[in-house]
Amino acid sequence: KNEVEQSPQNLTAQEGEFITINCSYSVGISALHWLQQHPGGGIVSLFMLSSGKKKHGRLIATINIQEKHSSLHITASHPRDSAVYICAALKVQGAQKLVFGQGTRLTINP
Amino acid sequence: NAGVTQTPKFQVLKTGQSMTLQCAQDMNHEYMSWYRQDPGMGLRLIHYSVGAGITDQGEVPNGYNVSRSTTEDFPLRLLSAAPSQTSVYFCASSSYKAGRDYGYTFGSGTRLTVV
Repeated sequence: KNEVEQSPQNLTAQEGEFITINCSYSVGISALHWLQQHPGGGIVSLFMLSSGKKKHGRLIATINIQEKHSSLHITASHPRDSAVYICAALKVQGAQKLVFGQGTRLTINP
Repeated sequence: NAGVTQTPKFQVLKTGQSMTLQCAQDMNHEYMSWYRQDPGMGLRLIHYSVGAGITDQGEVPNGYNVSRSTTEDFPLRLLSAAPSQTSVYFCASSSYKAGRDYGYTFGSGTRLTVV
């Protein structure tokens, strides 16, 4: 079983819909990252969370440390949000290491 | 602009050839790391460094060497390229010291094909 699991693997929605991507992890972490990768593009860090909730524009990320679960929400989704969203857990054991989920491929249709 | 600069963006190698992927950052980050991204496998850690002169292996280190002679640079060397090393490679850096932001900055990636 992967240490970081994301769901769903693929998500297609219509423009304007509210989007939720989930991430569960089984390791002790010091922080959790949400990353965005456009097709053929580089990786951009959206959020780093160690507790609670963060908001940036139409994106909201939450984390529940006790349940080892994080969610990424997109409000009023737009076709430009189409990308792969990756959850990555920063492990606490030893040196700093990121463990990545498999990614969620999001497609927003106009 | 401040960030992580990765070169080259694309490379085709023949089996057995060697090459170096370059990575440089200008944010004075202590931590630098290399990942490979393969379909269905996600991103996996190859090597990392917590400071100049200090490197360690990640999850998939075989076939790769690294060194960290300066804070800014962290090159990845493929000693004898194999088709299994066909992948997209990303370099990343972050702050490492306790109490500082662990935010990561990624390079734009290198798409490597070994034939």
